[in-house]
Amino acid sequence: AQSVSQHNHHVILSEAASLELGCNYSYGGTVNLFWYVQYPGQHLQLLLKYFSGDPLVKGIKGFEAEFIKSKFSFNLRKPSVQWSDTAEYFCAVMKEDSSASKIIFGSGTRLSIRP
Amino acid sequence: DVKVTQSSRYLVKRTGEKVFLECVQDMDHENMFWYRQDPGLGLRLIYFSYDVKMKEKGDIPEGYSVSREKKERFSLILESASTNQTSMYLCASSFRVTAFFGQGTRLTVV
Repeated sequence: AQSVSQHNHHVILSEAASLELGCNYSYGGTVNLFWYVQYPGQHLQLLLKYFSGDPLVKGIKGFEAEFIKSKFSFNLRKPSVQWSDTAEYFCAVMKEDSSASKIIFGSGTRLSIRP
Repeated sequence: DVKVTQSSRYLVKRTGEKVFLECVQDMDHENMFWYRQDPGLGLRLIYFSYDVKMKEKGDIPEGYSVSREKKERFSLILESASTNQTSMYLCASSFRVTAFFGQGTRLTVV
């Protein structure tokens, strides 16, 4: 079945540590890729997105992600995390088909940062 | 700023009740979506709509229906609420390839 996989369910890091959250998808064809973040008690916000072009995408708050087509991956990275990065992170794929573009999400990764 | 508004933040309903969750967006977006969010399962797509009166099933449509009579409004309907429909429900609308989310409705079915 076509899916979006986030293998890390809960990641715990200390402040200033480097972060990489994995995301793999199994769709063929044209896809657009996203990372969303949900801070405690808040709604989902877009961190970054990839449509085409440079596979290294920079987003808000120092986050970046790299699209590796051969690996069907779109991993999220941040060189030095802060306590305020504590949140749940969702990878998403928009698969384009003939009628509409629907967005499919991974199961999410909860990130906890120790001060 | 794009605004996606869900009519309620919290709802408590009884088993067997018919439940309406309303979502309104103010940016003339053609695509709208309903998801449910459960711990460890992420967001699962229930239904989406790409135009007025047009709808498509998502991954978990059973027990739900939707209505899109006007472009700005997308309603999720639980015909007969059950306890396994207790969840956080998220509405989104999208312009081209970027989706914007509402604040969510936490529904408890007792």
